[in-house]
Amino acid sequence: NAGVTQTPKFQVLKTGQSMTLQCAQDMNHNSMYWYRQDPGMGLRLIYYSASEGTTDKGEVPNGYNVSRLNKREFSLRLESAAPSQTSVYFCASSEMGSGAGVSPPQHFGDGTRLSIL
Amino acid sequence: DAKTTQPTSMDCAEGRAANLPCNHSTISGNEYVYWYRQIHSQGPQYIIHGLKNNETNEMASLIITEDRKSSTLILPHATLRDTAVYYCTTYNQGGKLIFGQGTELSVKP
Repeated sequence: NAGVTQTPKFQVLKTGQSMTLQCAQDMNHNSMYWYRQDPGMGLRLIYYSASEGTTDKGEVPNGYNVSRLNKREFSLRLESAAPSQTSVYFCASSEMGSGAGVSPPQHFGDGTRLSIL
Repeated sequence: DAKTTQPTSMDCAEGRAANLPCNHSTISGNEYVYWYRQIHSQGPQYIIHGLKNNETNEMASLIITEDRKSSTLILPHATLRDTAVYYCTTYNQGGKLIFGQGTELSVKP
């Protein structure tokens, strides 16, 4: 019953360092997502992958890159971390939408808390 | 893209029904309404979704007005573990969830 697993749970970086956040799901979902959540705000979509082999930008993609390694894994990379990227990062997965105005529910991990000094 | 509006915070007594409102007056005819909640320090959790008929599952009930401009999430017997931020969301034209700031529900003994 792992669902969506994110690693690490906590990380502190210095400005300019690079880092990759890992995400894996065991529900055989086609679609995966990366969000960030800043204090007092809702979630904002960074990147998503509708299916294995595809990735697309979300609302706030600047400063990030992603890799859909296989169907299970979707990683988020910060090439040169900045203090503005201090946030909680959530990965999510879902079955692929079937269209007709409905999209399947997303299942979230418990987040990576990232601080950049 | 449809925009949702929710009260910032609400209180509810333990054991009573919690009714969380959401306005989505710009929702289009084929857009579903989704509810998630986020308990402190955890990832969001899907609760329920609906189009125009009322929906019920083991967690909650969703009442959508006939004109679809608003909906209410009902937790029939709130417990302390239901204390969380509740998000009423829709999908934008790109098929992506749009999260607002949600309603912070405090269930009090």
